[in-house]
This record gives sequence, C-alpha cells and structure tokens, in this order.
Amino acid sequence: GQQLNQSPQSMFIQEGEDVSMNCTSSSIFNTWLWYKQDPGEGPVLLIALYKAGELTSNGRLTAQFGITRKDSFLNISASIPSDVGIYFCAGQDGNNRKLIWGLGTSLAVNP
Amino acid sequence: KAGVTQTPRYLIKTRGQQVTLSCSPISGHRSVSWYQQTPGQGLQFLFEYFSETQRNKGNFPGRFSGRQFSNSRSEMNVSTLELGDSALYLCASSLGNSYNEQFFGPGTRLTVL
Repeated sequence: GQQLNQSPQSMFIQEGEDVSMNCTSSSIFNTWLWYKQDPGEGPVLLIALYKAGELTSNGRLTAQFGITRKDSFLNISASIPSDVGIYFCAGQDGNNRKLIWGLGTSLAVNP
Repeated sequence: KAGVTQTPRYLIKTRGQQVTLSCSPISGHRSVSWYQQTPGQGLQFLFEYFSETQRNKGNFPGRFSGRQFSNSRSEMNVSTLELGDSALYLCASSLGNSYNEQFFGPGTRLTVL
C-alpha cells in the first residue's frame, strides 16, 4: 500500500542530544500525526498538525507541518533514555479518511 | 476515561483455523480502525468502521473481515489462517469526524503455527 518516506530509519544517540526525523510524501496532506510506540504496546499520539506551516510543541517534542503540505518533521530536544522507541508519522489527505503511515524511525538513546 | 482495550493480548493458532479479535473503543468514539503490524512493513490499514458500517477498506484479502456493534465495539475475524498472518493487530478509535486523531489499543499478538 501507499506509504510515506520516513527518515532516518534508525538513530543511536547519546543522552542529552537533540534528535530530528522527517516524513515526506508525493501527495498533499491536510493532517500530519506523530506517534511513538514502545515495545509490545500500541502507538501513542504525540502531536497532531492541521495547518500548513503549523509548529506545535509537546514538552521536549516539536513538530512542524511543512508549507508545501508534503512533509513534516519531529524534533526531540535533550533526549533521555525513556525516549527510546519507534516514532511513526502518519498523514491524511482531504479526500480519504485513511491515514498513510511511515515505516518508523527507531530511536536508541545511550545513557 | 478508559483507553482502547483489545482482547485477547496474545493468541496462538494453527494454519487453517480462524480467529476473532475484539476491540472496545474509548467512550464516545464512534470510529474503529484495524491495522496489521509486521516488522519492516509498518502499519497496514485493514478497515475502518463507523456507526456499524464499514467506511474504509485496505488491500487485504476477503479472509479478513470485521464488524461493529451498536455500542461501537468492534471485532475482526480472520478465516483460514496462514503463516503470514502472524502479526500484531492493532485497533484504533477516534471520534469519527474530520479530525482523524486515532488512539490505539495495546494490540493482539497473533502467532500462526
């Protein structure tokens, strides 16, 4: 099925470092969602974006809806061990309620 | 407010059998979506139910079916199980309006032997 291009595929960083990941699409979206999934659990919604150019923060997390409406990025500042997990982006266009998902970015944090 | 619950959490079946998974959405949510998650394949959309009607469907064979009850609880059925059906099956609930913020349950881990 259709998927977003999410990068990087994996990251291994030191505690305290900042992290950046992004998703790009060939289609225009009107919604971008960012989720985090811990092992053995379902994804948890982190940030939802609904307007081109929108910049939204949730604690140490910041996400932006690209002005072309074809991309979004997620930044994590001052990473901590509990940030470990898989981060997914998901996008939705205006005509179809289906969410299109990236393949995830696996984050490992070295304490 | 209770989150999305899924039962059972773990299931082991053999090829050819059938299985039914259950999902109870967040109170007030009318939309339930089902996903299959396998390593390297991300989340693959199965179908969405809203007000007891299938509103959207992914590209899975007819062996995968679902339904939704009047209380918004949903079930997913897989018939004639194949080894490749081994996966984490996730359900997500949302209000069902134009803002598609989906909230996930913990998933059911299905193993087909």
